[in-house]
Amino acid sequence: QVQLVQSGAEVKKPGASVKVSCKASGYTFTSYHMHWVRQAPGQGLQWMGRINPSGGSTVYAQKFQGRVTMTRDTSTSTVYMELSSLRSEDTAVYYCARLSDYYDSSGYYGWLDPWGQGTLVTVSS
Amino acid sequence: QSVLTQPPSASGTPGQRVTISCSGSRSNIGSNTVNWYQQLPGTAPKLLIYSNNQWPSGVPDRVSGSKSGTSASLAISGLQSEDEADYYCAAWDDSLNGWVFGGGTKLTVL
Repeated sequence: QVQLVQSGAEVKKPGASVKVSCKASGYTFTSYHMHWVRQAPGQGLQWMGRINPSGGSTVYAQKFQGRVTMTRDTSTSTVYMELSSLRSEDTAVYYCARLSDYYDSSGYYGWLDPWGQGTLVTVSS
Repeated sequence: QSVLTQPPSASGTPGQRVTISCSGSRSNIGSNTVNWYQQLPGTAPKLLIYSNNQWPSGVPDRVSGSKSGTSASLAISGLQSEDEADYYCAAWDDSLNGWVFGGGTKLTVL
């Protein structure tokens, strides 16, 4: 079955960087874009960006431009999300999620499924 | 401040029907399909409804979704205690070129 397994929790100091991994299995890794979404404690969901595992192209949300880098390793079917210059407001659970989508005469249809189990990143001095 | 607007809370008694609304704009719900996610405490979001009104495998048909114009809604009938969770709507936004989400609705089964 399709599964996304993320790396474990991290504790970082302000100003540091964190790199979270997401290992995919159960499908052809290069056939689906991977997206990253984060959730601060007690808050809603916030889209960070996506990577195309086939060619490595990326699109980042404006809020994270310049601080986030998404990469992939096709040999291990793993995508990575690195966030730099961490501040306390970056404390959140970070999720990877696979995109399924298609177009037809009515327009674009897309959805994120499945999601990884989440990685808690705590930024504290 | 979320791009899509949901009520922060909803409630119902076992067996009742509840609906959760989601309001957006022309660039998101008005132009693209809506998905709904269920998030149980301490777990990752789970796809509940996709493409406005489609069920992923394993989701019971007492859950349904609809969309009209720039708004969407999720309905859960025959409410059960295990439905107690947070629910999020989501849509692709053509102006932001990214996914936007509602702020989430906490459903309580009384």
